[in-house]
Amino acid sequence: TQLLEQSPQFLSIQEGENLTVYCNSSSVFSSLQWYRQEPGEGPVLLVTVVTGGEVKKLKRLTFQFGDARKDSSLHITAAQPGDTGLYLCAGEETSGSRLTFGEGTQLTVNP
Amino acid sequence: DVKVTQSSRYLVKRTGEKVFLECVQDMDHENMFWYRQDPGLGLRLIYFSYDVKMKEKGDIPEGYSVSREKKERFSLILESASTNQTSMYLCASRSTLDRRTYEQYFGPGTRLTVT
Repeated sequence: TQLLEQSPQFLSIQEGENLTVYCNSSSVFSSLQWYRQEPGEGPVLLVTVVTGGEVKKLKRLTFQFGDARKDSSLHITAAQPGDTGLYLCAGEETSGSRLTFGEGTQLTVNP
Repeated sequence: DVKVTQSSRYLVKRTGEKVFLECVQDMDHENMFWYRQDPGLGLRLIYFSYDVKMKEKGDIPEGYSVSREKKERFSLILESASTNQTSMYLCASRSTLDRRTYEQYFGPGTRLTVT
């Protein structure tokens, strides 16, 4: 099983601040997904990155896949209270359709 | 919209009981997955199924079994529940045809407490 380390585990910031969440592995993934989970709900996909070096933007969220497809980052600009939630990265193993999840980052944005 | 439903949102069982968690998806997805989610550990894969009557062990299959008799339904069975199986259980499904996003669609989860 491939491992995916996510950091930080907890992040509490003020509205308007920027933040970055990291996912790192020593293994290569065929794709990397970012999910967001609200309390009492299952994770919902935000974005999938497939190509090494790929950058995708979703409004104030910027996702990047490392050149070697071993790591990824999520950057949020001017965070808002509505961004509060659990953010999970997940790498699709090269051998099949299994996902390996990071430990998650619990983000709290205070008004 | 894809919908994945789980039979219970909350469940309380006693140690030693046999527990059934049901998951149903309505999008004819081939792949289905069972995870457990614990604080600080992320989602850990218990079992998955590529298609009907097929099953593969995930990373933590001990103490669990699964059944997939119909394409839309994937059941997780705790043969003899123990307190260390207290957790949030999430079911997910995925289409093998969706090579654009590789997305897994999750149910709302079942919070199981074993006393």
